Amino acid sequence: DVKVTQSSRYLVKRTGEKVFLECVQDMDHENMFWYRQDPGLGLRLIYFSYDVKMKEKGDIPEGYSVSREKKERFSLILESASTNQTSMYLCASSQNRNPFEAYFGQGTRLTVV
Amino acid sequence: AQSVTQPDIHITVSEGASLELRCNYSYGATPYLFWYVQSPGQGLQLLLKYFSGDTLVQGIKGFEAEFKRSQSSFNLRKPSVHWSDAAEYFCAVGDDRGSTLGRLYFGRGTQLTVWP
Repeated sequence: DVKVTQSSRYLVKRTGEKVFLECVQDMDHENMFWYRQDPGLGLRLIYFSYDVKMKEKGDIPEGYSVSREKKERFSLILESASTNQTSMYLCASSQNRNPFEAYFGQGTRLTVV
Repeated sequence: AQSVTQPDIHITVSEGASLELRCNYSYGATPYLFWYVQSPGQGLQLLLKYFSGDTLVQGIKGFEAEFKRSQSSFNLRKPSVHWSDAAEYFCAVGDDRGSTLGRLYFGRGTQLTVWP
């Protein structure tokens, strides 16, 4: 089974902190995505990556950055956390030969206080 | 631009009743369409997908969906709902353009409550 693992299920951080959300997949997928999920808004794409050291902005990249130094790992970085970044964050991965077969992690619920 | 509309924020049905969740999409070409389910505290699980061919697609857990191009719709159905179906359901359309291949556009979700 494909596994997408997000390092934390729950995180509480203070305003202004630098926050790292980690995502690791174990099936050698080329494509990785970070989504943000808020009640009533569904999932919105923050950043995605099709290859190591490659990144593309999604619909809501402001206040976020990403890092993909290894194929299996895609990190989401909140440079200076703010309360409006309190949300559920979902990571997903897929392979090039089947790009729409996305596998999702369990999510990280981040609270910024 | 691609977009997905789920008109119903919350639906309540009795166990054993039939279910239909609505989804409308906006996409220029032939859409790649998906339904996902999210149980409380869980990630997203793919229920079914439509790429081409037969417009009635079968998925897991007894769900089916019908693609209607004329109505730009991809409604999810189940003939008899079980209490374990209570969850949030998301419709999504996939982007097949080279620069954004594989990204998904999601609707806002429909929360399903099942009464015993």
